[in-house]
Amino acid sequence: RKEVEQDPGPFNVPEGATVAFNCTYSNSASQSFFWYRQDCRKEPKLLMSVYSSGNEDGRFTAQLNRASQYISLLIRDSKLSDSATYLCVVNMGDMRFGAGTRLTVKP
Amino acid sequence: EAGVVQSPRYKIIEKKQPVAFWCNPISGHNTLYWYLQNLGQGPELLIRYENEEAVDDSQLPKDRFSAERLKGVDSTLKIQPAELGDSAVYLCASSTWGNEQFFGPGTRLTVL
Repeated sequence: RKEVEQDPGPFNVPEGATVAFNCTYSNSASQSFFWYRQDCRKEPKLLMSVYSSGNEDGRFTAQLNRASQYISLLIRDSKLSDSATYLCVVNMGDMRFGAGTRLTVKP
Repeated sequence: EAGVVQSPRYKIIEKKQPVAFWCNPISGHNTLYWYLQNLGQGPELLIRYENEEAVDDSQLPKDRFSAERLKGVDSTLKIQPAELGDSAVYLCASSTWGNEQFFGPGTRLTVL
């Protein structure tokens, strides 16, 4: 089993759609969690941290379920500029990255 | 403030040749990471430094890969000899402990 597993995607959605990405992790002692965004041929950049109580940043909502070892990212009212690969990252002592889920938002 | 600097951005070599990548982290970041990223995959950790000490190099193929971070600032990753399967993007990142990692633009290596 991979340490961090994500929906394989790709996701192709119209503008304005709501899309959700899921991620599971293997190490129950993991301390912190993040979503990174990576544009094509660019480096990953932090989108948001994920807190136990759940957190929201504009159109983006991240949730953590420690009991199920599950993280999610919800994007509401998708924009063309949201097209990217979304990486789930779990701090297991070292940062472990999922393979990423590719999102394409179409007009 | 300058971000993480990497060079070169692109490198094309023939198999069995040596290659080296350089990284200068963000000033004040004591933790430095080298990752390898293949197409369609997430970054995979090769080595992590806390200051000048390599605290996790378990994923570094030590028969051909080496890294150093002299003086705890910039770092060099070397491959000797390179193999066809080493073609990938090599990313450097830095952070203060446990906090957000900032990535450099990466070095895209092609081994022919």
